[in-house]
Amino acid sequence: AQKVTQAQTEISVVEKEDVTLDCVYETRDTTYYLFWYKQPPSGELVFLIRRNSFDEQNEISGRYSWNFQKSTSSFNFTITASQVVDSAVYFCALKASGNNRKLIWGLGTSLAVNP
Amino acid sequence: KAGVTQTPRYLIKTRGQQVTLSCSPISGHRSVSWYQQTPGQGLQFLFEYFSETQRNKGNFPGRFSGRQFSNSRSEMNVSTLELGDSALYLCASSLGGSLTGELFFGEGSRLTVL
Repeated sequence: AQKVTQAQTEISVVEKEDVTLDCVYETRDTTYYLFWYKQPPSGELVFLIRRNSFDEQNEISGRYSWNFQKSTSSFNFTITASQVVDSAVYFCALKASGNNRKLIWGLGTSLAVNP
Repeated sequence: KAGVTQTPRYLIKTRGQQVTLSCSPISGHRSVSWYQQTPGQGLQFLFEYFSETQRNKGNFPGRFSGRQFSNSRSEMNVSTLELGDSALYLCASSLGGSLTGELFFGEGSRLTVL
């Protein structure tokens, strides 16, 4: 069975703090994809990143960075110098390779960045 | 480039009624997926359509149905509404299907069942 766990339900930080959102996944597939999506108050989920299971390189995009570790089945997301606009719900998702495989979503982490 | 458009944005229904939600994908996208989002269950996959064919289906009762038209627009229907159907229904489109997982979402249709 596949599963995605985001243990942090809510996080509250003060602007300019760094914050890490945890994501732990379970799968028996050897080929799979991991994702992060952001859902601002407007409701529209926004794609942030996709990582395949064979690429464990960390990625940095501006203030965002992702740490993928297969050994611990984790795909954590760090926001450096957080800003109020980062306030949103962040979802981690998993998809095994194959056309008939569905995206499995975590329950999300609600991040509040306070001024 | 216009994004994914969902209508209506908000609606209120009573138990037993039925509802139809509409989704217009990004131009050129052939895949449309539907999700139900509730505070307790998170994002639950309903179904995916690709070139007018249902390619994948989640674990929802038969009261939930959908279809896709030749222009890739999609509709989903929920019959005999129950209180538990109150949720945000999200539509997502992608170029070649959900294979890669990079989905473009609409803002959702928020359904309240009284």
